Amino acid sequence: GESVGLHLPTLSVQEGDNSIINCAYSNSASDYFIWYKQESGKGPQFIIDIRSNMDKRQGQRVTVLLNKTVKHLSLQIAATQPGDSAVYFCAENGGSNYKLTFGKGTLLTVNP
Amino acid sequence: GAVVSQHPSWVICKSGTSVKIECRSLDFQATTMFWYRQFPKQSLMLMATSNEGSKATYEQGVEKDKFLINHASLTLSTLTVTSAHPEDSSFYICSARDLPSGRTQYFGPGTRLLVL
Repeated sequence: GESVGLHLPTLSVQEGDNSIINCAYSNSASDYFIWYKQESGKGPQFIIDIRSNMDKRQGQRVTVLLNKTVKHLSLQIAATQPGDSAVYFCAENGGSNYKLTFGKGTLLTVNP
Repeated sequence: GAVVSQHPSWVICKSGTSVKIECRSLDFQATTMFWYRQFPKQSLMLMATSNEGSKATYEQGVEKDKFLINHASLTLSTLTVTSAHPEDSSFYICSARDLPSGRTQYFGPGTRLLVL
């Protein structure tokens, strides 16, 4: 079946730097995308979402970019903090069944 | 808003026993809830979609008689792992959509199951 994948399984950054986490998706019918943050031993936490009629959406310190031409999604975190250390998952939905397909996840480590 | 709880947060049981996990939407009504399973350092795997007032829809390869799902109200879904075995040990997470047409899923904190 179609899947959502990530280019980088791990990312290590210095505190204060900007982080960019990438995600490639293969289902061209996907029209809704979400980024989740999962800390160790906890459930995924909603960060930001974007619909396919947009190519950029900003939140607090986070920005999601969507490039439908190359089926690529990215999450940018500004001024990364130690509390941002977690696994980040992208997820996509392209149908009426509301199911989400998750990517493999990227482990972000923020060094003080 | 959009808070989902799970109970228990962790459970240890003997092989052959059954374990029930509850998933509740605390501040909204959820017509649809989802149950996922996650192994260490892996992504979330959807097990089933739980619909209020109807039978759950299971993903391919998930045994419906093994993982019983009941969605008795708009705020509660339960997952029962029947005759648990050590290979059922995992992190079980539920999620809920906050609107009938909403596409965002909000997740519970997860339940760690260890079968001895």
